[in-house]
Amino acid sequence: DADVTQTPRNRITKTGKRIMLECSQTKGHDRMYWYRQDPGLGLRLIYYSFDVKDINKGEISDGYSVSRQAQAKFSLSLESAIPNQTALYFCATSDFALPNTQYFGPGTRLTVL
Amino acid sequence: GQNIDQPTEMTATEGAIVQINCTYQTSGFNGLFWYQQHAGEAPTFLSYNVLDGLEEKGRFSSFLSRSKGYSYLLLKELQMKDSASYLCAVREGAAGNKLTFGGGTRVLVKP
Repeated sequence: DADVTQTPRNRITKTGKRIMLECSQTKGHDRMYWYRQDPGLGLRLIYYSFDVKDINKGEISDGYSVSRQAQAKFSLSLESAIPNQTALYFCATSDFALPNTQYFGPGTRLTVL
Repeated sequence: GQNIDQPTEMTATEGAIVQINCTYQTSGFNGLFWYQQHAGEAPTFLSYNVLDGLEEKGRFSSFLSRSKGYSYLLLKELQMKDSASYLCAVREGAAGNKLTFGGGTRVLVKP
């Protein structure tokens, strides 16, 4: 079984709809991250959380919100989706004791029409 | 903030060597990472440098010069499966394990 899972894997929605992307991990890591990836722009950090009570904005948090429901779960919401939020979204985890890498989920491809 | 630059695309022949350069500007450097990403898949960790010098791991090596704000990833004995994007990422010391990624370099290996 995969250590970091994301649901859904693909989603097509319409402008103005509320969307939630979910991430779960079985690695026991305390740190979780949400990124979006656009062609030529690499991965850009949306939000990150170093533990259940710690939530921080990344470089492109506008239009997004997150919830860390448990150590193993970190969800990303788009309250009112817009077309320029069409992208590939990745969740990642890392461990405080072993910070030298992040482990990525398989990604969610989101299309906003 | 950080600025990370790497070439957009490179082409090389199977069996050859390719070097992917990455330059960065950061206010508090605390490590440089290379990730490999095949099309439509998640990035996977390749290497980590925090001190100057060369780190070798099989066919892949990564070099860092902190004074020059420069790193490279060297791929030797290229195989077709090495066709992928390679992402350079920098960690700042004051930001825990928060990484800033470059735009990625797409490497195409031809027979």
